[in-house]
Amino acid sequence: NAGVTQTPKFRVLKTGQSMTLLCAQDMNHEYMYWYRQDPGMGLRLIHYSVGEGTTAKGEVPDGYNVSRLKKQNFLLGLESAAPSQTSVYFCASSYPTDNPSRTQYFGPGTRLLVL
Amino acid sequence: GENVEQHPSTLSVQEGDSAVIKCTYSDSASNYFPWYKQELGKGPQLIIDIRSNVGEKKDQRIAVTLNKTAKHFSLHITETQPEDSAVYFCALGYGYGQNFVFGPGTRLSVLP
Repeated sequence: NAGVTQTPKFRVLKTGQSMTLLCAQDMNHEYMYWYRQDPGMGLRLIHYSVGEGTTAKGEVPDGYNVSRLKKQNFLLGLESAAPSQTSVYFCASSYPTDNPSRTQYFGPGTRLLVL
Repeated sequence: GENVEQHPSTLSVQEGDSAVIKCTYSDSASNYFPWYKQELGKGPQLIIDIRSNVGEKKDQRIAVTLNKTAKHFSLHITETQPEDSAVYFCALGYGYGQNFVFGPGTRLSVLP
């Protein structure tokens, strides 16, 4: 049981390049989330998904796209990277309600540097 | 949207002392109040949570208290140990499970 895994762990991009971050979970969770973490700002929600084939915008969605083609995977895409997207990106997953738990399980993070 | 304030931003305590971190919020619809611990280079991990119908919850050296009237909740760590050193985040849950807002974090240092 690996929990939540993220690929890659670290990446350097040039402004304007594109990339996709992959998140995978093996806990059969319905909900999945993408956050970004910047110094002094906690975690901010980019996009989330409440089930396979569905996605929705979070607090800071601009410049990102997501897809959830399979229940266990949630992809975050940057079509044209900008220096403002330099951050640490965390994926998380959870059950939808208190039954059994609303605990969010986080991956180890992807550190992205945009030059 | 909902906003959550967290204080202090940094906290240093001597080993064995207690640490308290407080979060305040504005949306009375919030119904779930988790606390996460993040160690260096890792993702956040839930350490304790509380629902809106409970005032206090304790798990060994960790406790959370909730005052819904005053709209604040606090994390209490007793008998601190060096391994408690980390960044702690409070969060709010509201709606049907997909809506979470995180506080800016508190960096706790436990000095031996």
